[in-house]
Amino acid sequence: NAGVTQTPKFQVLKTGQSMTLQCAQDMNHNSMYWYRQDPGMGLRLIYYSASEGTTDKGEVPNGYNVSRLNKREFSLRLESAAPSQTSVYFCASSDGGSYNEQFFGPGTRLTVL
Amino acid sequence: GENVEQHPSTLSVQEGDSAVIKCTYSDSASNYFPWYKQELGKRPQLIIDIRSNVGEKKDQRIAVTLNKTAKHFSLHITETQPEDSAVYFCAASNTGTASKLTFGTGTRLQVTL
Repeated sequence: NAGVTQTPKFQVLKTGQSMTLQCAQDMNHNSMYWYRQDPGMGLRLIYYSASEGTTDKGEVPNGYNVSRLNKREFSLRLESAAPSQTSVYFCASSDGGSYNEQFFGPGTRLTVL
Repeated sequence: GENVEQHPSTLSVQEGDSAVIKCTYSDSASNYFPWYKQELGKRPQLIIDIRSNVGEKKDQRIAVTLNKTAKHFSLHITETQPEDSAVYFCAASNTGTASKLTFGTGTRLQVTL
């Protein structure tokens, strides 16, 4: 049982390049989330998917798009990377509904030059 | 939307002492309050959570208290040990919103020998 997995672990991009961060979970969870973590700012929600087939904006969605490919996979795309998107990105999943723990992936450290 | 404030941002205690981290939230509809621990370079992991119909919850050396009237909740760690050194995040959620969490900005706890 791998839990939540993310690829890649590290990535360096140049300004204007695009990339997709991949996330998968094997816990049969309904809900999935993408966060970014910046020093002193905690974890901020970018997008989430309450269930397969639905996606919604979180607190900081500008510059990002997401795809809930199926129940297991939730990807985050940066179409034109900017230095302000340098961050650590975490994917998480939960059963959804009430009072359910979110399980986090190991994170992707992204640097945009 | 929800706003969660967390204090202090850093906390240094001697081994064996107690540590207290405090959070306030703004949305009176929030009803689920988890605490996550993040060790250096690792993913956040849930350590304890509390629902709005409960005032206090304990799990060995950690406890969480909730004051719904004042919109405050706190994490208490007793008999601190070096392995408690980490960043701790509080969060709040209205479970009617796909368990969407709003995080505080984190407290770096250092336990010194």
